[in-house]
Amino acid sequence: QKEVEQDPGPLSVPEGAIVSLNCTYSNSAFQYFMWYRQYSRKGPELLMYTYSSGNKEDGRFTAQVDKSSKYISLFIRDSQPSDSATYLCAILNSGGYQKVTFGTGTKLQVIP
Amino acid sequence: NAGVTQTPKFQVLKTGQSMTLQCAQDMNHNSMYWYRQDPGMGLRLIYYSASEGTTDKGEVPNGYNVSRLNKREFSLRLESAAPSQTSVYFCASSGLGSYSTDTQYFGPGTRLTVL
Repeated sequence: QKEVEQDPGPLSVPEGAIVSLNCTYSNSAFQYFMWYRQYSRKGPELLMYTYSSGNKEDGRFTAQVDKSSKYISLFIRDSQPSDSATYLCAILNSGGYQKVTFGTGTKLQVIP
Repeated sequence: NAGVTQTPKFQVLKTGQSMTLQCAQDMNHNSMYWYRQDPGMGLRLIYYSASEGTTDKGEVPNGYNVSRLNKREFSLRLESAAPSQTSVYFCASSGLGSYSTDTQYFGPGTRLTVL
């Protein structure tokens, strides 16, 4: 079993839709949860991170963590064509070095 | 402030050839990383350097070597390239190293094809 599981998609939605992206993880020692966005042929860039259960908002983006279910989500409100990218969840295990385990990514396309 | 830069952007090698991928960061970060990204496999850590003068193996180190030349630069060497090393390689850096939640900043990647 992979430490982090993520549906690869692709996910195609109309402009303005609410998008839900999800990951599950297996190691309860994981403490910090991140979402990266990766445009085609570019490096990943950090969107949001959180370390507690509950919701964290940043503009149109909301990150949600449920540690009891080992489930993390990213919601995008009023999705825009510029949101078309691959979204990777990433989890940091705070032990030793900064070991980050990445999901495989979900490819999102927002259609105008 | 360029962030993390990588050279070259693209490279085609023949099996058995060697090459070095270069990475530099101008953010005064302590930690640097090399990842490879393959379809369906996500990002996998090859090697990392928690601080200048130290390097350690990640998840998939076989066939690679690294050098932390100074605080700014971290290179990845393929001694004898194999088709299985065809991938996109990303360098990343982060601020404080161990026990840190600092963001990892990624470079633009090197697309490597081994024939």
